[in-house]
Amino acid sequence: RKEVEQDPGPFNVPEGATVAFNCTYSNSASQSFFWYRQDCRKEPKLLMSVYSSGNEDGRFTAQLNRASQYISLLIRDSKLSDSATYLCVVNGQGGKLIFGQGTELSVKP
Amino acid sequence: SQTIHQWPATLVQPVGSPLSLECTVEGTSNPNLYWYRQAAGRGLQLLFYSVGIGQISSEVPQNLSASRPQDRQFILSSKKLLLSDSGFYLCAWSGDRAQPQHFGDGTRLSIL
Repeated sequence: RKEVEQDPGPFNVPEGATVAFNCTYSNSASQSFFWYRQDCRKEPKLLMSVYSSGNEDGRFTAQLNRASQYISLLIRDSKLSDSATYLCVVNGQGGKLIFGQGTELSVKP
Repeated sequence: SQTIHQWPATLVQPVGSPLSLECTVEGTSNPNLYWYRQAAGRGLQLLFYSVGIGQISSEVPQNLSASRPQDRQFILSSKKLLLSDSGFYLCAWSGDRAQPQHFGDGTRLSIL
């Protein structure tokens, strides 16, 4: 089992849609969780951290389910500019951050 | 605020030539530093990380090496490049290993 797994997509959604990404992780001792966004041919950029109680930043909501070992990212009212690859990141053995392969999102007009 | 600089942005090298990519961080001291490679359409592969001057951990065997001659300087090198070394190389820093990492702009390396 991979340490961090994501559905690679692509997710093709119309503007204004709500889209959700899930990510599963294998290390039950993981304590740090993040979502990154990577635009085509650019570096990954931190989108948001994921806290145990769940957290929201504008149109973006992140949730953590420790029992099932998954985290999710919900994007409401999708914009064209949300088109990117979304990377799930979890700290693995030894505390190192493990990056998922990413889920590609394409928002269409 | 902290900034990370990575250069060059693009590099085209012949097979068998040497490589040196440099990364520097400003606005913080004793950062954790990382080198990643991302092949086209693939995920990030951690190559090296460093928790201090002269301390380098290698994640995968390869013909690349890394050095940290100063606290905020991280260098990725190779004596002889292979075709398979092509990719997008990213340097990153973090306050500690569990904190989020912040990436440089990346170097797109093409081997001919």
